Amino acid sequence: EAGVAQSPRYKIIEKRQSVAFWCNPISGHATLYWYQQILGQGPKLLIQFQNNGVVDDSQLPKDRFSAERLKGVDSTLKIQPAKLEDSAVYLCASSYSRHEIRGKLFFGSGTQLSVL
Amino acid sequence: DAKTTQPPSMDCAEGRAANLPCNHSTISGNEYVYWYRQIHSQGPQYIIHGLKNNETNEMASLIITEDRKSSTLILPHATLRDTAVYYCIVRPGGGATNKLIFGTGTLLAVQP
Repeated sequence: EAGVAQSPRYKIIEKRQSVAFWCNPISGHATLYWYQQILGQGPKLLIQFQNNGVVDDSQLPKDRFSAERLKGVDSTLKIQPAKLEDSAVYLCASSYSRHEIRGKLFFGSGTQLSVL
Repeated sequence: DAKTTQPPSMDCAEGRAANLPCNHSTISGNEYVYWYRQIHSQGPQYIIHGLKNNETNEMASLIITEDRKSSTLILPHATLRDTAVYYCIVRPGGGATNKLIFGTGTLLAVQP
């Protein structure tokens, strides 16, 4: 079974530049998540989609971050403009919608962003 | 905010059982206990979850106390590849929209 695919694996940009990350979840997974993980901390949920609708974006800095999941499959997360404090690993995850295994998330390997 | 408390780090000898504790004293009746681990440079990986009964799968065992205020993840025969950060998470059951909130976890170092 193919896992969650993310690209790019690494990205280095200068502050005030823009960057976009792409995620392709496991086939058939209705729920998709973007997490931000700063070095030394646990992952922090930025946004959660159920199919192509946003379920929770309460932790997303909406003045600079945006995300979309067109057609309820793959998703992009964009930062514009980037700040130094956005340096982190951005993780995408997906999960089944069936009741008994909600909460079992499958994560990609992440995109490591360095803002200089 | 995370609703669990874990020691920041633990050591374990290779081949021995690793017992990772988690305190979740404010857990409510409909909340499950989930365990994930994160190996260096990888995304977190699901290990196991439970509500009130002990659970076992091919990766680990989960022991939940009768009052559900704490739990222990057991890796029966730790190997060097089990070195990782282990996260204990409580999450309400039922809704697909319920969030999985990570704390800082326990860094388990398996020593040769």
